Amino acid sequence: DTAVSQTPKYLVTQMGNDKSIKCEQNLGHDTMYWYKQDSKKFLKIMFSYNNKELIINETVPNRFSPKSPDKAHLNLHINSLELGDSAVYFCASSQAVNEQFFGPGTRLTVL
Amino acid sequence: AQKVTQAQTEISVVEKEDVTLDCVYETRDTTYYLFWYKQPPSGELVFLIRRNSFDEQNEISGRYSWNFQKSTSSFNFTITASQVVDSAVYFCALTPTTSGTYKYIFGTGTRLKVLA
Repeated sequence: DTAVSQTPKYLVTQMGNDKSIKCEQNLGHDTMYWYKQDSKKFLKIMFSYNNKELIINETVPNRFSPKSPDKAHLNLHINSLELGDSAVYFCASSQAVNEQFFGPGTRLTVL
Repeated sequence: AQKVTQAQTEISVVEKEDVTLDCVYETRDTTYYLFWYKQPPSGELVFLIRRNSFDEQNEISGRYSWNFQKSTSSFNFTITASQVVDSAVYFCALTPTTSGTYKYIFGTGTRLKVLA
């Protein structure tokens, strides 16, 4: 029983392509997040949804579009991928200000 | 400004040594939460502790202990008798609560290497 799952785990693609990463949590949490972790391990929040409503939208290129069909799912679609998008993307969920539970990460490599 | 500073980029210790990872935070909120997470070489992020701003009691969990001092805006983490399995990147994080958006602000992490 995985708490927060992400698919795919690895994603290798060419510049200019469009790709999606899916995230699901079975913890009943109201809030879900997307983070980007670069090669230096800096962990930066991108988006947060609370009960399907976007509540945090950091300075992220509009090529990145999150979608939350229900509170258990938060997907990330990326258009026109660039080399600089290569990173590990983590999905997380939490209930209010309790600890965040993180997914295993999706390693995106743009060639 | 809301900020978390982990000034130690990388620390190397020999097994069985004690090590302290520093975390200094900035926030104007009077109510906030502080966290520590561990990211071992396998890559997952593991929750270690949560502390709210009204609870300055230190906490001990096995070989791990945390020292929260509001006067210096610090939330330091000590590992006693370190082991090779403690090798990981450790992140300190802050969540101010006033805005209600539950934005977690992470520090840049401290990479701990424990040598056998």
